[in-house]
Amino acid sequence: KAGVTQTPRYLIKTRGQQVTLSCSPISGHRSVSWYQQTPGQGLQFLFEYFSETQRNKGNFPGRFSGRQFSNSRSEMNVSTLELGDSALYLCASSQGQGLGEQFFGPGTRLTVL
Amino acid sequence: AQSVSQHNHHVILSEAASLELGCNYSYGGTVNLFWYVQYPGQHLQLLLKYFSGDPLVKGIKGFEAEFIKSKFSFNLRKPSVQWSDTAEYFCAVTRILTGGGNKLTFGTGTQLKVEL
Repeated sequence: KAGVTQTPRYLIKTRGQQVTLSCSPISGHRSVSWYQQTPGQGLQFLFEYFSETQRNKGNFPGRFSGRQFSNSRSEMNVSTLELGDSALYLCASSQGQGLGEQFFGPGTRLTVL
Repeated sequence: AQSVSQHNHHVILSEAASLELGCNYSYGGTVNLFWYVQYPGQHLQLLLKYFSGDPLVKGIKGFEAEFIKSKFSFNLRKPSVQWSDTAEYFCAVTRILTGGGNKLTFGTGTQLKVEL
């Protein structure tokens, strides 16, 4: 079974721009979660999507948004980029029921200049 | 809000030494507990998990962890580390949320370096 895939793997943007990251979950998984990883803040939960609906949300500003499609693939969008948005963005998928194990993708490394 | 504390931020060991990494969490309800590992240049991988039952769980690569409910702890252990265990280790906790689903709350991570 193929793992979680994320595209692109690397991105360089400038302040004020917007960016869209993509995540394809493991086949059959209906839940997709997004996390931000930085050296200073560690791994922080952004949001979770299940059956095309945002089910849970972390403490990030509204510039961070996402969506999920009917095939469970998910996208994350960050608008009006700030230098502090430079991070590794991780996507994780799970079957979606209960406290299931989450499987992580390789991440997208975003650099904001 | 729930939180996860990892007491050791950087650990340096010689090969064959024993390893114990501490993890404490703050939430008092039903939780599931995980240890993830991130090898250099690789993505997060699950080492082991605790959902219920025997509080001593065994994971991959000879790792084990013990859940002590009274201490809100889930410490990771390995009797004899190898150079290839050099990585960053994350403790994580998840619980059922009001709207269903779950989110992982991670500790700050422990950078382990194993020297030959």
